[in-house]
Amino acid sequence: AQKVTQTQTSISVMEKTTVTMDCVYETQDSSYFLFWYKQTASGEIVFLIRQDSYKKENATVGHYSLNFQKPKSSIGLIITATQIEDSAVYFCAIGYYNQGKLIFGQGTKLSIKP
Amino acid sequence: EAAVTQSPRNKVTVTGGNVTLSCRQTNSHNYMYWYRQDTGHGLRLIHYSYGAGNLQIGDVPDGYKATRTTQEDFFLLLELASPSQTSLYFCASSARDSSNERLFFGHGTKLSVL
Repeated sequence: AQKVTQTQTSISVMEKTTVTMDCVYETQDSSYFLFWYKQTASGEIVFLIRQDSYKKENATVGHYSLNFQKPKSSIGLIITATQIEDSAVYFCAIGYYNQGKLIFGQGTKLSIKP
Repeated sequence: EAAVTQSPRNKVTVTGGNVTLSCRQTNSHNYMYWYRQDTGHGLRLIHYSYGAGNLQIGDVPDGYKATRTTQEDFFLLLELASPSQTSLYFCASSARDSSNERLFFGHGTKLSVL
């Protein structure tokens, strides 16, 4: 069965610090794609970053980076130098070739304190 | 930036009522999706389509119908609405199969079934 689990319901950190959000997944496939999306307070959902399972290098975009540990079926999202506007709900998701859909985790609510 | 527009933004109906949620994307994307978002469950896929006239069943399809009339327009139909269908509904689109392509989301429709 394919499943994505985010065990951290909410996290609160001080501004300008680094935060890591956890995500583990269950899959029997050796090839897949992993995504992180951000949902702002207004409800808008936007794509952040993606990791291809066959790539060993961790993806990085701006102040977002991933900690991909394939043997542990884990894809953590790292946000460095956090800003107030990073306060949001973050979802991870998994997708497979030619299956036409993503399976999302439950989400982690991140609060950045000034 | 891809544009996905949902209507209405809010809808209240009664149990047994008939509801249609509309979604239009103007970026010539082939794939369109309907998700529902509920606390503790994240985003769950209801139906999706890879072109006009095509419909694929998602993970939580019971009680929902969908129709893709054109490449731009995708509708979600609740013919006998129930309180369990009270939720936040998101439409999304992608250029290709979402398993390896980022999704662009609409702003959501909040549906309340009384």
